[in-house]
Amino acid sequence: KNQVEQSPQSLIILEGKNCTLQCNYTVSPFSNLRWYKQDTGRGPVSLTIMTFSENTKSNGRYTATLDADTKQSSLHITASQLSDSASYICVVSEQGQNFVFGPGTRLSVLP
Amino acid sequence: SAVISQKPSRDICQRGTSLTIQCQVDSQVTMMFWYRQQPGQSLTLIATANQGSEATYESGFVIDKFPISRPNLTFSTLTVSNMSPEDSSIYLCSVKARASSYEQYFGPGTRLTVT
Repeated sequence: KNQVEQSPQSLIILEGKNCTLQCNYTVSPFSNLRWYKQDTGRGPVSLTIMTFSENTKSNGRYTATLDADTKQSSLHITASQLSDSASYICVVSEQGQNFVFGPGTRLSVLP
Repeated sequence: SAVISQKPSRDICQRGTSLTIQCQVDSQVTMMFWYRQQPGQSLTLIATANQGSEATYESGFVIDKFPISRPNLTFSTLTVSNMSPEDSSIYLCSVKARASSYEQYFGPGTRLTVT
């Protein structure tokens, strides 16, 4: 069964600190992996998209990595800000149209 | 990118009634989807809205409960019928510009509370 797991379930960090969120998946055949940020009460917004041949991609203070061999991805947030408080969702797409959503990691950044 | 608007943004409804949610995109898109996000949960795909034909529903979702229309390439509606408190969720419209595109955009969501 195609699954996406994320860890930790929730995370609290102090403003200015770095953090790393994890995503493990069993989706096959793999097409691409996306990280989304979802603010409370809003729709998800795409942060990064990576295909099989890409192993790292940055978007400002967000850096995603992908290891297609071990089927793992991480999202690293540098110098966190209060506005980074949100849920971060890992989505893995099969070749074709099927998308598998992870349960998300709830990040809280405290002053 | 695609800009997506949804109406209403939120509503409180009585059980047994129905609510129709509208999704408008600022550009023509190939694919439109409807998702449900229950409290504290991630997104679950309800159906793919197909222009000019019946929507394609995921396992566990049926047309009688969630009728969907898509009259053109920029607009779709989702109706939540005969609502019960278990239908309280955020309903999100999502689009892909092309079937082959990796980018998927989400609307702001409609927060539905059923009392």
